[in-house]
Amino acid sequence: DIQMTQSPSSMSASEGDRVTITCQASQDISNYLNWYQQKPGKAPKLLIYDASNLDTGVPSRFRGSGSGTDFTFTISSLQPEDIATYYCQQFDDLPVTFGQGTKVEIK
Amino acid sequence: QITLKESGPTVVKPTQTLTLTCTFSGSSLRNNGVGVGWIRQPPGKALEWLALIYGDDDKRYSPSLESRLTITKDSSTNQVVLTMTNMDPVDTATYYCVHPALYLRHWGQGTLVTVSS
Repeated sequence: DIQMTQSPSSMSASEGDRVTITCQASQDISNYLNWYQQKPGKAPKLLIYDASNLDTGVPSRFRGSGSGTDFTFTISSLQPEDIATYYCQQFDDLPVTFGQGTKVEIK
Repeated sequence: QITLKESGPTVVKPTQTLTLTCTFSGSSLRNNGVGVGWIRQPPGKALEWLALIYGDDDKRYSPSLESRLTITKDSSTNQVVLTMTNMDPVDTATYYCVHPALYLRHWGQGTLVTVSS
């Protein structure tokens, strides 16, 4: 299985701050990586697909980059509604695997 | 608009078999390349992929759970069924069905299954 190492596991930032989350794959996955946002008690929501493409309706403050084994997810200006847990997911090979999640809180 | 909804028992006993149904609308399981998958999430933990099935009946399973899982579809009713045998308390989780199978753009609301005697 391809292992996805996501960091940090949790973080606290102020409103308006830039937030960066990284995800490292245990082998080259090209750009077959998605990012999801999950709010408490809700199903995850697809934000970024194919490493860098914003899904429909997702605010432009969310950005994804990277290819191969190293990926970055960025919120350019943290908003209160962004409080959630974020997951990366690879689908280059089955089984699909997820990072362990990053819980983002507001200071 | 694509919607998915999971249904099934909320509590199962250890060693029992879990059967979950995903009712899917807004697209057709008859379409090749259209896939539906299952993901689970234990309370407070990360997401875990379980299985997927495509319109051509191609099926894939998580290697760690393959011996316990079966996924089937009924294209006439647009339903996908996941069965998991020999349930254990560690299988307590919210179970989600998702579509498409790899780009998880659409999710069901999830159903919490508790394994307890």
